Amino acid sequence: VQLVQSGAEVKKPGASVKVSCKASGHSFTSYDINWVRQATGQGLEWMGWTNPNSGNTGYAQQFQGRITMTRNTSISTAYMELSSLRSEDTAVYYCAGAVAGTAIHYYYYMDVWGKGTTVTVSS
Amino acid sequence: SYELTQPLSVSVALGQTATITCGGNNIGSKDVHWHQQKPGQAPVLVIYRDTNRPSGIPERFSGSNSGNTATLTISRAQAGDEADYYCQVWDSSTVVFGGGTKLTVV
Repeated sequence: VQLVQSGAEVKKPGASVKVSCKASGHSFTSYDINWVRQATGQGLEWMGWTNPNSGNTGYAQQFQGRITMTRNTSISTAYMELSSLRSEDTAVYYCAGAVAGTAIHYYYYMDVWGKGTTVTVSS
Repeated sequence: SYELTQPLSVSVALGQTATITCGGNNIGSKDVHWHQQKPGQAPVLVIYRDTNRPSGIPERFSGSNSGNTATLTISRAQAGDEADYYCQVWDSSTVVFGGGTKLTVV
């Protein structure tokens, strides 16, 4: 199971960036795809999820209005587009495949991670 | 929103046992997962659903969860275990990460 992400990006403030995440080694629709970012020296920040089967999405509140997650099932690829970029969006962006289910509690966890895509926002 | 609290750093002597905690309100009622991140690398899942190890993760890694605290325990700590460790839960249709704990093996 592998998630292969697109290459590094450099963008100007106000622009948009679109990062891709291609799945191989498993059925693309078997995992939700989540996006998590990490600024230099900081912790992990969850951005949202998309279900490749249904196309349904859920976004963290702080990104509502400027994030869009999509997918192309024919090429097993998920996308995350972030708009109105600012310098604080400079970070490594990870995609991660999540497993969900219910036992005693509902559970949802990142089972496999991509290697990350560096996005730099600078004028 | 739900918050997870981790110590910023934990130090352990080589070969000894490290304990990393993750605090949250009634966290024992949730499934807790742990991710290891070595410098310059992507995170890796090391414990899922409180106590389960993915294939390839050494038996030295174990987890527990009760009350307001979940715990990741690393037995016989090795230099290669130096990393940041993040706990993670699902709450109110969102993924929540703890702030991360830097484990140093001395």
